Amino acid sequence: AQTVTQSQPEMSVQEAETVTLSCTYDTSENNYYLFWYKQPPSRQMILVIRQEAYKQQNATENRFSVNFQKAAKSFSLKISDSQLGDTAMYFCAFMTWGSNYKLTFGKGTLLTVNP
Amino acid sequence: EAGVAQSPRYKIIEKRQSVAFWCNPISGHATLYWYQQILGQGPKLLIQFQNNGVVDDSQLPKDRFSAERLKGVDSTLKIQPAKLEDSAVYLCASSSEAVRLAFGSGTRLTVV
Repeated sequence: AQTVTQSQPEMSVQEAETVTLSCTYDTSENNYYLFWYKQPPSRQMILVIRQEAYKQQNATENRFSVNFQKAAKSFSLKISDSQLGDTAMYFCAFMTWGSNYKLTFGKGTLLTVNP
Repeated sequence: EAGVAQSPRYKIIEKRQSVAFWCNPISGHATLYWYQQILGQGPKLLIQFQNNGVVDDSQLPKDRFSAERLKGVDSTLKIQPAKLEDSAVYLCASSSEAVRLAFGSGTRLTVV
């Protein structure tokens, strides 16, 4: 079974600074996707960034980037130039190609950006 | 394009009562998911539809939960009878491409 672990229940950062959220996962599969989702108080899950396991290059989306270490099964999210609007729950998630594309989520990290 | 619509936004019921949630996916999305998100946890898949057929319902408590997808479009999730531990946010998502799920804003259910 696949598991996703987020070891930081809560984190805080000052506006304009950089913060890194950690995620580890466990799988015996070789082909899979990794995701970071943001869930603001509105409860809607919003995709932040996606990484395909077969790609060695780390994904980047504007201020958001990942550090994907396949051998270590680690997938951290770096948020640069943090903004007040980044305050939200962040979930790491995992999807294998052969599982009907089912998403498995971690327990989440509550990120607070302070002014 | 319009997003995934869910209703109601909030629901409070007493234990042993029944409740139903409704989801209208993005037009053209063949796959529809229902997730349960208990406070302090990540979402857990309850059921996945492909058009109007069930692909995965392995984590659906079938003794009390049921779901259907009408004509491959709208979907309803029902709980009967509800238990205290069913208090959670119920999220609906849809996709036309497996790696691009669009989520609704969910229904927060409180069972008292």
